Amino acid sequence: GAVVSQHPSRVICKSGTSVKIECRSLDFQATTMFWYRQFPKQSLMLMATSNEGSKATYEQGVEKDKFLINHASLTLSTLTVTSAHPEDSSFYICSARDRRTGGRFANTGELFFGEGSRLTVL
Amino acid sequence: LAKTTQPISMDSYEGQEVNITCSHNNIATNDYITWYQQFPSQGPRFIIQGYKTKVTNEVASLFIPADRKSSTLSLPRVSLSDTAVYYCLVGYYNDMRFGAGTRLTVKP
Repeated sequence: GAVVSQHPSRVICKSGTSVKIECRSLDFQATTMFWYRQFPKQSLMLMATSNEGSKATYEQGVEKDKFLINHASLTLSTLTVTSAHPEDSSFYICSARDRRTGGRFANTGELFFGEGSRLTVL
Repeated sequence: LAKTTQPISMDSYEGQEVNITCSHNNIATNDYITWYQQFPSQGPRFIIQGYKTKVTNEVASLFIPADRKSSTLSLPRVSLSDTAVYYCLVGYYNDMRFGAGTRLTVKP
């Protein structure tokens, strides 16, 4: 199956610094990538939808200046947490939608998820 | 956006069949129903997807009644390794949001 890779898997940083998380689709081109945040024992919360070559669409309540998303190519999207604070500590997960049509899920495009990145802000 | 409702938790024993039902009363015509499995500190993993009636793959079955207002994920003969959180998603293209999920605990 298709693979989505996130890097780094774990990162610890000091309060006030910025952290970048990469999301790559390794064997397919992604029309759209999604970024989620997940706190312990909670569900995934959609933060933003990222389309290649255009600005990301952020969910209500998510600060676009704090969570910078760049989708520079069909295989790479990055999330930068700027001026991180302890309350930003969370598990960040990306997903990518396969661009191919006529596939198994031609109408919806199957979503493939990365392994997640755990951010700890001290 | 179709909102989903699932039981918060379920317990089962090894070898049993587990059925997890998801309610989605305001599902739209274009919406598909997709189930994901998530282990702690990992990204969700696709289980199965359907639009109507029944879908079966090597790991699960998905039952969707004619009105599509609910769906049931069926896991045959669960094992301890099936202990995870199971999410039902209803949507089309970019309208895919996670509900609370069902925490399944399989006991020996």
